[in-house]
Amino acid sequence: EPEVTQTPSHQVTQMGQEVILRCVPISNHLYFYWYRQILGQKVEFLVSFYNNEISEKSEIFDDQFSVERPDGSNFTLKIRSTKLEDSAMYFCASSGSVGGVKFSYNEQFFGPGTRLTVL
Amino acid sequence: ELKVEQNPLFLSMQEGKNYTIYCNYSTTSDRLYWYRQDPGKSLESLFVLLSNGAVKQEGRLMASLDTKARLSTLHITAAVHDLSATYFCAVDIGSGGGADGLTFGKGTHLIIQP
Repeated sequence: EPEVTQTPSHQVTQMGQEVILRCVPISNHLYFYWYRQILGQKVEFLVSFYNNEISEKSEIFDDQFSVERPDGSNFTLKIRSTKLEDSAMYFCASSGSVGGVKFSYNEQFFGPGTRLTVL
Repeated sequence: ELKVEQNPLFLSMQEGKNYTIYCNYSTTSDRLYWYRQDPGKSLESLFVLLSNGAVKQEGRLMASLDTKARLSTLHITAAVHDLSATYFCAVDIGSGGGADGLTFGKGTHLIIQP
């Protein structure tokens, strides 16, 4: 069964460093997302991406964050200068399928997550 | 701003009992999702509810949606230990064309004891 994969599973970094989190969405999906979950808290939407551009972003997704689809399979989240409060689990998700048809719903499939620890 | 509230946030119950988790949301939507999360793991899609009155069942779990009341329920029948997990509801208030971010509730941490 197709699944979303993410690397690395755990990333430890020093405050102020740049990190790149990587995701491989399900291959025929069109829409890609990043969410984060601070330990013990709810899942929060960061950004969605479609047709090589950001579709929607939350207030959390400020200038320190960027997303990119550098090739046909990877989807990345970059945090330019990490802060302590960026420590969280980051989930990638994907939805939709090829066909060019608008879908009436948006079931998103989540990857296993990358645990980011900022020291 | 869309608010999604779940209750209870913590629930400890015995095997064999029935219980219901509630999910209220503040803005009109007819697309609601339930996810399960095991400790340290990702989110697993359980149910997609797309219209008023929608009811879906899978095993001992049944989810329903009342869009007029802005309420969804997740009912557990004859609970078993394997259902212990955190359950999240999530609401989509986008246009429905895809790429809409979901707004999650805080989750219900469910412990089922033998």
